[in-house]
Amino acid sequence: EVQLVDSGGGLIQPGGSLRLSCAASGFSFSTFYMTWVRQAPGKGLEWISFISDTSDIKYYADSLKGRFTISRDNAKNSLYLQMNSLRAEDTAVYYCARVGGGNSLDYWGQGTLVTVSS
Amino acid sequence: QSALTQPRSVSGSPGQSVTISCTGTSSDVGGYYYVSWYQQHPGKVPRLMIYDVTKRPSGVPDRFSASKSGITASLTISGLQAEDEADYYCCSYAGTYTWVFGGGTRVTVL
Repeated sequence: EVQLVDSGGGLIQPGGSLRLSCAASGFSFSTFYMTWVRQAPGKGLEWISFISDTSDIKYYADSLKGRFTISRDNAKNSLYLQMNSLRAEDTAVYYCARVGGGNSLDYWGQGTLVTVSS
Repeated sequence: QSALTQPRSVSGSPGQSVTISCTGTSSDVGGYYYVSWYQQHPGKVPRLMIYDVTKRPSGVPDRFSASKSGITASLTISGLQAEDEADYYCCSYAGTYTWVFGGGTRVTVL
Protein backbone atom coordinates (compact mmCIF):
# COMPACT_ATOMS: atom_id res chain seq x y z
CA GLU A 1 0.00 0.00 0.00
CA VAL A 2 1.35 3.40 -0.97
CA GLN A 3 1.83 5.63 2.06
CA LEU A 4 3.15 9.15 2.42
CA VAL A 5 3.54 10.53 5.93
CA ASP A 6 4.15 14.25 6.34
CA SER A 7 5.80 15.68 9.44
CA GLY A 8 7.74 18.66 10.74
CA GLY A 9 5.06 21.32 10.90
CA GLY A 10 4.42 23.55 13.87
CA LEU A 11 4.25 27.11 15.15
CA ILE A 12 7.12 29.29 13.99
CA GLN A 13 7.80 33.01 14.29
CA PRO A 14 7.99 35.22 11.20
CA GLY A 15 11.46 35.09 9.70
CA GLY A 16 12.11 31.63 11.07
CA SER A 17 12.95 28.38 9.34
CA LEU A 18 11.36 24.96 9.30
CA ARG A 19 12.10 21.66 7.59
CA LEU A 20 9.24 19.43 6.53
CA SER A 21 9.64 15.72 5.86
CA CYS A 22 7.63 13.18 3.92
CA ALA A 23 8.29 9.49 4.55
CA ALA A 24 7.33 7.22 1.67
CA SER A 25 6.57 3.51 1.71
CA GLY A 26 4.80 0.89 -0.37
CA PHE A 27 6.32 1.88 -3.70
CA SER A 28 9.67 2.38 -5.37
CA PHE A 29 10.26 5.91 -4.12
CA SER A 30 13.48 6.41 -6.08
CA THR A 31 11.70 6.05 -9.41
CA PHE A 32 8.97 8.65 -8.89
CA TYR A 33 8.88 12.41 -9.21
CA MET A 34 7.51 14.17 -6.14
CA THR A 35 5.88 17.51 -5.34
CA TRP A 36 4.77 19.69 -2.46
CA VAL A 37 1.35 21.32 -2.41
CA ARG A 38 0.03 23.67 0.25
CA GLN A 39 -3.39 24.85 1.36
CA ALA A 40 -3.88 27.98 3.43
CA PRO A 41 -6.72 27.87 5.97
CA GLY A 42 -10.05 28.00 4.14
CA LYS A 43 -8.32 28.41 0.80
CA GLY A 44 -7.58 26.30 -2.25
CA LEU A 45 -4.68 24.08 -3.23
CA GLU A 46 -1.43 25.65 -4.40
CA TRP A 47 1.37 23.71 -6.09
CA ILE A 48 4.69 24.92 -4.71
CA SER A 49 7.57 22.63 -5.67
CA PHE A 50 8.74 19.68 -7.79
CA ILE A 51 11.73 17.35 -7.69
CA SER A 52 12.73 14.68 -10.18
CA ASP A 53 13.57 11.11 -9.22
CA THR A 54 17.30 11.75 -9.21
CA SER A 55 17.08 15.29 -7.79
CA ASP A 56 18.65 16.80 -10.90
CA ILE A 57 15.54 18.83 -11.71
CA LYS A 58 13.82 21.11 -9.19
CA TYR A 59 11.17 23.74 -9.73
CA TYR A 60 9.30 26.17 -7.51
CA ALA A 61 6.24 28.36 -7.67
CA ASP A 62 7.07 31.99 -8.35
CA SER A 63 5.31 32.96 -5.11
CA LEU A 64 8.07 31.38 -3.02
CA LYS A 65 10.69 33.85 -4.23
CA GLY A 66 13.59 31.52 -3.56
CA ARG A 67 12.86 30.98 0.13
CA PHE A 68 12.09 27.26 -0.07
CA THR A 69 14.31 24.33 -1.10
CA ILE A 70 13.09 20.88 -2.04
CA SER A 71 15.29 17.82 -1.64
CA ARG A 72 15.06 14.06 -1.29
CA ASP A 73 17.03 11.13 0.07
CA ASN A 74 16.21 8.03 -1.94
CA ALA A 75 18.18 5.83 0.45
CA LYS A 76 15.81 6.92 3.22
CA ASN A 77 12.69 7.04 1.04
CA SER A 78 12.18 10.61 2.16
CA LEU A 79 11.25 13.97 0.68
CA TYR A 80 12.02 17.29 2.33
CA LEU A 81 11.07 20.94 2.13
CA GLN A 82 13.37 23.47 3.75
CA MET A 83 11.45 26.67 4.38
CA ASN A 84 13.33 29.87 5.26
CA SER A 85 12.31 33.47 5.93
CA LEU A 86 8.82 32.35 6.76
CA ARG A 87 5.96 34.82 6.53
CA ALA A 88 2.42 34.87 7.86
CA GLU A 89 1.15 34.08 4.37
CA ASP A 90 3.05 30.78 4.42
CA THR A 91 0.64 29.52 7.07
CA ALA A 92 -0.92 26.42 5.51
CA VAL A 93 -1.22 22.67 5.53
CA TYR A 94 1.64 21.29 3.50
CA TYR A 95 1.15 18.07 1.57
CA CYS A 96 3.69 15.94 -0.24
CA ALA A 97 2.28 14.22 -3.31
CA ARG A 98 3.56 11.67 -5.77
CA VAL A 99 3.54 12.45 -9.48
CA GLY A 100 1.71 9.62 -11.20
CA GLY A 101 0.25 8.87 -14.59
CA GLY A 102 -0.57 11.83 -16.77
CA ASN A 103 1.36 14.14 -14.48
CA SER A 104 -1.39 13.75 -11.90
CA LEU A 105 -0.77 13.81 -8.17
CA ASP A 106 -1.95 10.32 -7.42
CA TYR A 107 -1.04 9.84 -3.76
CA TRP A 108 -0.91 12.46 -1.02
CA GLY A 109 0.43 12.64 2.48
CA GLN A 110 -1.92 13.49 5.31
CA GLY A 111 -0.49 16.99 5.49
CA THR A 112 1.39 18.90 8.18
CA LEU A 113 0.26 22.29 9.48
CA VAL A 114 2.69 25.18 9.48
CA THR A 115 1.60 28.26 11.41
CA VAL A 116 3.71 31.39 11.09
CA SER A 117 2.84 33.79 13.86
CA SER A 118 4.46 35.82 16.59
CA GLN B 1 1.19 30.85 -12.72
CA SER B 2 -2.33 32.23 -12.38
CA ALA B 3 -4.92 29.90 -10.89
CA LEU B 4 -7.37 28.18 -13.18
CA THR B 5 -10.91 29.56 -13.01
CA GLN B 6 -13.65 27.45 -11.45
CA PRO B 7 -17.14 28.42 -10.23
CA ARG B 8 -17.15 28.86 -6.47
CA SER B 9 -20.12 26.56 -6.02
CA VAL B 10 -22.57 24.30 -7.78
CA SER B 11 -25.47 22.36 -6.37
CA GLY B 12 -27.90 19.66 -7.33
CA SER B 13 -30.45 17.28 -5.91
CA PRO B 14 -29.69 13.60 -5.38
CA GLY B 15 -29.76 11.77 -8.69
CA GLN B 16 -29.19 14.89 -10.75
CA SER B 17 -26.06 15.79 -12.70
CA VAL B 18 -23.75 18.72 -12.05
CA THR B 19 -20.89 20.00 -14.17
CA ILE B 20 -17.90 21.99 -12.98
CA SER B 21 -15.94 24.05 -15.47
CA CYS B 22 -12.24 24.84 -15.28
CA THR B 23 -10.85 27.54 -17.52
CA GLY B 24 -7.17 28.13 -18.08
CA THR B 25 -5.00 29.33 -20.91
CA SER B 26 -3.12 27.93 -23.88
CA SER B 27 -0.11 27.54 -21.56
CA ASP B 28 -1.83 25.06 -19.28
CA VAL B 29 -5.25 23.49 -19.94
CA GLY B 30 -5.14 24.28 -23.64
CA GLY B 31 -1.57 23.19 -24.10
CA TYR B 32 -1.47 19.76 -22.51
CA TYR B 33 -3.61 16.67 -22.14
CA TYR B 34 -2.69 16.59 -18.46
CA VAL B 35 -5.74 17.83 -16.62
CA SER B 36 -6.63 16.15 -13.34
CA TRP B 37 -9.41 16.59 -10.82
CA TYR B 38 -9.33 16.15 -7.04
CA GLN B 39 -12.08 15.69 -4.48
CA GLN B 40 -11.55 17.01 -0.98
CA HIS B 41 -13.97 16.50 1.88
CA PRO B 42 -13.67 18.99 4.77
CA GLY B 43 -10.58 18.33 6.82
CA LYS B 44 -9.49 15.49 4.57
CA VAL B 45 -6.71 14.84 2.09
CA PRO B 46 -7.34 15.54 -1.61
CA ARG B 47 -8.21 12.44 -3.62
CA LEU B 48 -7.41 11.99 -7.31
CA MET B 49 -10.64 11.49 -9.27
CA ILE B 50 -9.63 12.08 -12.90
CA TYR B 51 -6.29 12.20 -14.74
CA ASP B 52 -5.25 12.59 -18.36
CA VAL B 53 -8.41 14.70 -18.84
CA THR B 54 -10.80 11.74 -18.93
CA LYS B 55 -9.34 8.72 -17.10
CA ARG B 56 -10.61 7.45 -13.75
CA PRO B 57 -8.23 5.76 -11.30
CA SER B 58 -9.28 2.41 -9.94
CA GLY B 59 -11.98 2.80 -7.31
CA VAL B 60 -13.48 6.03 -8.62
CA PRO B 61 -17.17 5.56 -9.46
CA ASP B 62 -18.09 5.81 -13.12
CA ARG B 63 -20.61 8.56 -12.36
CA PHE B 64 -17.57 10.85 -12.44
CA SER B 65 -16.61 11.83 -15.98
CA ALA B 66 -14.59 14.63 -17.51
CA SER B 67 -13.67 16.28 -20.77
CA LYS B 68 -11.74 19.17 -22.25
CA SER B 69 -12.29 21.57 -25.10
CA GLY B 70 -9.70 24.19 -25.86
CA ILE B 71 -8.77 26.01 -22.68
CA THR B 72 -11.72 24.71 -20.67
CA ALA B 73 -11.98 21.39 -18.88
CA SER B 74 -15.11 20.04 -17.24
CA LEU B 75 -16.00 17.50 -14.58
CA THR B 76 -19.48 15.99 -14.53
CA ILE B 77 -20.97 14.10 -11.63
CA SER B 78 -23.97 12.09 -12.75
CA GLY B 79 -26.48 10.55 -10.37
CA LEU B 80 -25.39 12.87 -7.58
CA GLN B 81 -25.10 11.22 -4.17
CA ALA B 82 -24.84 12.66 -0.68
CA GLU B 83 -21.21 11.55 -0.34
CA ASP B 84 -20.28 13.59 -3.41
CA GLU B 85 -20.70 16.77 -1.39
CA ALA B 86 -17.15 18.13 -1.23
CA ASP B 87 -14.73 20.58 -2.76
CA TYR B 88 -13.42 19.78 -6.22
CA TYR B 89 -10.20 21.13 -7.70
CA CYS B 90 -9.00 20.98 -11.26
CA CYS B 91 -5.29 20.93 -11.92
CA SER B 92 -3.28 21.28 -15.10
CA TYR B 93 0.32 20.58 -15.92
CA ALA B 94 1.71 23.93 -17.04
CA GLY B 95 4.96 22.86 -18.60
CA THR B 96 8.56 22.65 -17.32
CA TYR B 97 7.60 20.61 -14.25
CA THR B 98 5.07 23.10 -12.92
CA TRP B 99 1.39 22.66 -12.08
CA VAL B 100 -1.51 25.04 -11.54
CA PHE B 101 -4.70 24.41 -9.59
CA GLY B 102 -8.14 25.91 -9.91
CA GLY B 103 -9.62 27.85 -7.03
CA GLY B 104 -11.94 25.02 -6.12
CA THR B 105 -15.68 24.41 -6.42
CA ARG B 106 -17.94 23.48 -3.53
CA VAL B 107 -20.50 20.88 -4.61
CA THR B 108 -23.63 20.90 -2.47
CA VAL B 109 -26.17 18.10 -2.57
CA LEU B 110 -29.55 19.65 -1.86
